[in-house]
Amino acid sequence: GAVVSQHPSWVICKSGTSVKIECRSLDFQATTMFWYRQFPKQSLMLMATSNEGSKATYEQGVEKDKFLINHASLTLSTLTVTSAHPEDSSFYICSARALYNSPLHFGNGTRLTVT
Amino acid sequence: AQTVTQSQPEMSVQEAETVTLSCTYDTSESDYYLFWYKQPPSRQMILVIRQEAYKQQNATENRFSVNFQKAAKSFSLKISDSQLGDAAMYFCAYRSFTGTASKLTFGTGTRLQVTL
Repeated sequence: GAVVSQHPSWVICKSGTSVKIECRSLDFQATTMFWYRQFPKQSLMLMATSNEGSKATYEQGVEKDKFLINHASLTLSTLTVTSAHPEDSSFYICSARALYNSPLHFGNGTRLTVT
Repeated sequence: AQTVTQSQPEMSVQEAETVTLSCTYDTSESDYYLFWYKQPPSRQMILVIRQEAYKQQNATENRFSVNFQKAAKSFSLKISDSQLGDAAMYFCAYRSFTGTASKLTFGTGTRLQVTL
């Protein structure tokens, strides 16, 4: 079945630095990718929708200058957390789909800890 | 905007027994999809079952079945013959049938414990 690879699976960074998370579709071309954030014992909150070759659409309340999303190819989307702060520590999950009504496939997530 | 509500933060079931997880949603749309996802401790999101709103027949996948009540906007998940591996967080999710984004809206989740 379709696989979405997310890297790294965990990362620790210092406050003020930036960290990049990659989301790759391994065996299909993903026209759309979604980025979610999940706090401990809470649900997944959509941060942004990314379509290949165009600017990401951010959900209300998500700072686009802080969470930079790039979807430069049909198999790769990246989320860069800029000037990270401890409150950005969370679990970030990407998902991808090939076509509009295709099933969504999720990555394994990235646990970000900002010290 | 659509909302998804899961009123049971935690549920417990004995192995081999049956458990039902509740989900209600609010929407003004007539066509949409509903999903149940499982998130085990590994945090990987796993699709359990999917229901198209235009289908009257309840979806089933092996030991998993749903009770879809469109008028009541209810979408419960029944797990039969529960197994230890069913222990996980379960999220109900809604997706519009139309619209270019077609994003998923998740409920708050139900943590299912399976006991011996």
